Amino acid sequence: AQKITQTQPGMFVQEKEAVTLDCTYDTSDPSYGLFWYKQPSSGEMIFLIYQGSYDQQNATEGRYSLNFQKARKSANLVISASQLGDSAMYFCAMREGSSASKIIFGSGTRLSIRP
Amino acid sequence: NAGVTQTPKFRILKIGQSMTLQCAQDMNHNYMYWYRQDPGMGLKLIYYSVGAGITDKGEVPNGYNVSRSTTEDFPLRLELAAPSQTSVYFCASKFSRDQPQHFGDGTRLSIL
Repeated sequence: AQKITQTQPGMFVQEKEAVTLDCTYDTSDPSYGLFWYKQPSSGEMIFLIYQGSYDQQNATEGRYSLNFQKARKSANLVISASQLGDSAMYFCAMREGSSASKIIFGSGTRLSIRP
Repeated sequence: NAGVTQTPKFRILKIGQSMTLQCAQDMNHNYMYWYRQDPGMGLKLIYYSVGAGITDKGEVPNGYNVSRSTTEDFPLRLELAAPSQTSVYFCASKFSRDQPQHFGDGTRLSIL
């Protein structure tokens, strides 16, 4: 069974600093994908970044990058130059298998940016 | 382009009542999902569907039922509401394997 773990319930970071949010996963399937979503206090889910298990390079999207360490089964989200608007819940999610139908989420990390 | 539309946005039910949460998408996505999110927690997968006529259980299916008679609609049914089903329910859809899910705005459900 697939499993995804976020070990940091909450984090405080100073504005303009970089921050790393941890995500580890467990799967025996060689084909999988990892997603990160942001959920502000307003409640909507915002897609940030995706990494496929066969992708050769770490994914990047603007200030977001994914530190993908396949052997360690980790897919940490790195936010560079944090901004006050980055304060939110962040969720890691995984789809397993080539069929890609089932997607499960981690428990999330609440990130708070200090001015 | 409406995306994923969930109705209602809020609902209060009494214990033992039943209701259907509606979800519709206009993006011709085959994959559709139902999640619940308890306060301060992550999303738990209830049911999902890979196309019309096909549904499968997720992590927490007990107490819920779904149907998928069309590509656009994926309603979630609560038959005998219990206080433990108080939660925010999100519907999501996606086009293909490596594409992200598109989420609705959620339905906030309270069972009293």
